[in-house]
Amino acid sequence: DAKTTQPTSMDCAEGRAANLPCNHSTISGNEYVYWYRQIHSQGPQYIIHGLKNNETNEMASLIITEDRKSSTLILPHATLRDTAVYYCIVPTQGGSEKLVFGKGTKLTVNP
Amino acid sequence: NAGVTQTPKFQVLKTGQSMTLQCAQDMNHEYMSWYRQDPGMGLRLIHYSVGAGITDQGEVPNGYNVSRSTTEDFPLRLLSAAPSQTSVYFCASSYRRTGNYGYTFGSGTRLTVV
Repeated sequence: DAKTTQPTSMDCAEGRAANLPCNHSTISGNEYVYWYRQIHSQGPQYIIHGLKNNETNEMASLIITEDRKSSTLILPHATLRDTAVYYCIVPTQGGSEKLVFGKGTKLTVNP
Repeated sequence: NAGVTQTPKFQVLKTGQSMTLQCAQDMNHEYMSWYRQDPGMGLRLIHYSVGAGITDQGEVPNGYNVSRSTTEDFPLRLLSAAPSQTSVYFCASSYRRTGNYGYTFGSGTRLTVV
């Protein structure tokens, strides 16, 4: 998988937007950016993915820079239940069957 | 539609015992994977499969065997359990096509080897 870099931890106030950055400067042209999260002790949960354009679903928005070397996951109105470890993953082109997790960002949403 | 089902949820083994962790999915997903997660650590890929009859090793395959005789099932076998295999094991599945909608994970099997 293409190397990704994420901050180790972040804090966010409840009700505010949480913006989680990810650097993936070695990403190739056809490689997607995926975001997952893992709430304590549970199995990871898929959040969103994108290639070039910004994406939005019921959980979050994904903003990918024009050069595709970085992206930001946005949780528009963070709640306490969004406290989790968030993983940014770029599966190697042709290797999307093998999902390799890094250390992720521990997001703590504070009341 | 049950998603990814893992059994058992909890298991205690004695050193040297063998067992099989079961994983089944009903979404007709081609890809399936096994991960382990040690306390306070990230997920590490053990084995994965891109379809029935095809398996490959991940980051930490030693001490584990897998097979994929059907699309639905991907069991993980511990050959001779060791305390170092105490961990939480997650199974996951996904569609094959590029840009697919991500992996679906099971709720995990918590294994303790004493």
